[in-house]
Amino acid sequence: GAGVSQSPSNKVTEKGKDVELRCDPISGHTALYWYRQSLGQGLEFLIYFQGNSAPDKSGLPSDRFSAERTGGSVSTLTIQRTQQEDSAVYLCASRRPGQGARGELFFGEGSRLTVL
Amino acid sequence: EDKVVQSPLSLVVHEGDTVTLNCSYEVTNFRSLLWYKQEKKAPTFLFMLTSSGIEKKSGRLSSILDKKELFSILNITATQTGDSAVYLCAVEHLDDYKLSFGAGTTVTVRA
Repeated sequence: GAGVSQSPSNKVTEKGKDVELRCDPISGHTALYWYRQSLGQGLEFLIYFQGNSAPDKSGLPSDRFSAERTGGSVSTLTIQRTQQEDSAVYLCASRRPGQGARGELFFGEGSRLTVL
Repeated sequence: EDKVVQSPLSLVVHEGDTVTLNCSYEVTNFRSLLWYKQEKKAPTFLFMLTSSGIEKKSGRLSSILDKKELFSILNITATQTGDSAVYLCAVEHLDDYKLSFGAGTTVTVRA
């Protein structure tokens, strides 16, 4: 697609429920990132996918968080047994292949998650 | 632990004013520093700086990096209401691909 697409744009859920957030990166972009942005905070790295390599999951805050990337394209971030502190905007970004493209990420509009 | 600190946290100016945003960092294996503008949701890329002392310029925006003193500044001249946004600074490492972001500076430009 023309840009990084994320869905849903807004999600309100009850504490303890599971949620899935979807990211469709720009076609041809091999790198995909998930970040979390809490109110008034900077972006917190969650997970990184690059091609067929094992993902870097070092930023996931707990084992309730997991992510997949199927076929090197669409990614799903799953949060199990949601807690109120999970409320945030979850941003997905992708990057073109090649060393020259390092740094410049293309972000989606984000999924705003509210856990009641 | 890596640190990226932006200042001020927020500022309010009037159209036509010049603003200077600061970003200082402490990271291992520095590769580049990036500036993003976040108006509503999706941050958009402004600049990437890798070399010290070389100014990057795009219209009324410019940025420079000081690798010795570990900081960067972003200048916006002749501000317009459309410059109102959160400006994010991020640092990229040599040996990985994660960007460490600062908390951002919220700029409000009043007509």
